[in-house]
Amino acid sequence: EVNLVESGGGLVQPGGSLRLSCAASGFAFSTYEMNWVRQAPGKGLEWVSYINSGSYTIYYPDSVKGRFTISRDNAKNLVYLQMNSLRAEDTAVYYCARWMSSSPYGLDVWGQGTTVTVSS
Amino acid sequence: QSVLTQPPSASGTPGQRVTISCSGSSSNIGIKTVNWYRQFPGTAPKLLIYSNNQRPSGVPDRFSGSKSGTSASLAISGLQSEDEADYHCAAWDDRVNVWVFGGGTKLTVL
Repeated sequence: EVNLVESGGGLVQPGGSLRLSCAASGFAFSTYEMNWVRQAPGKGLEWVSYINSGSYTIYYPDSVKGRFTISRDNAKNLVYLQMNSLRAEDTAVYYCARWMSSSPYGLDVWGQGTTVTVSS
Repeated sequence: QSVLTQPPSASGTPGQRVTISCSGSSSNIGIKTVNWYRQFPGTAPKLLIYSNNQRPSGVPDRFSGSKSGTSASLAISGLQSEDEADYHCAAWDDRVNVWVFGGGTKLTVL
């Protein structure tokens, strides 16, 4: 069964750091591009990072550029999101989602999410 | 403020047909395919429609998608109470290399 499981969320003070992990199983992880998408309480979805299969192409939106870093370990089927200089507006449920840009399916499989709360 | 524009809410009675719109621009919906996701409270989004109008296996044919120019629509026919959920549209934006989403539409079955 194809599965993505996020972990690492929690309560952190403004200015703090957190590292999220996403464990993949049931598919050829190394062939997929991976993304992180977040959803603030009561809000819509916001994409926050992309990494291609070989880790040589990475994108971020301006809202997190310079503060968030995405990485992956294809040997361990893991993708990470290092979040630094956290702000209250980063409070959200963070989902990882897979993508194969050469296919028509888009972000076709999502994890269950991990909650990040930035508060003093 | 979301890049793609969706109505915040929609409603219908059981058996009715409802549509949800999603408006974008020439750099996203205009040149890229649109996906739709359904999200029940407290759960992750799940792919409902891909490539504008294709249904993943297991999605009933009551759900259909379409695209014209820089807009897309999701239609749900034979509305059922279990269709109450949030619906999100998404597309890749080629100009800025980001996934863009609509703000989500909360569907209520009256």
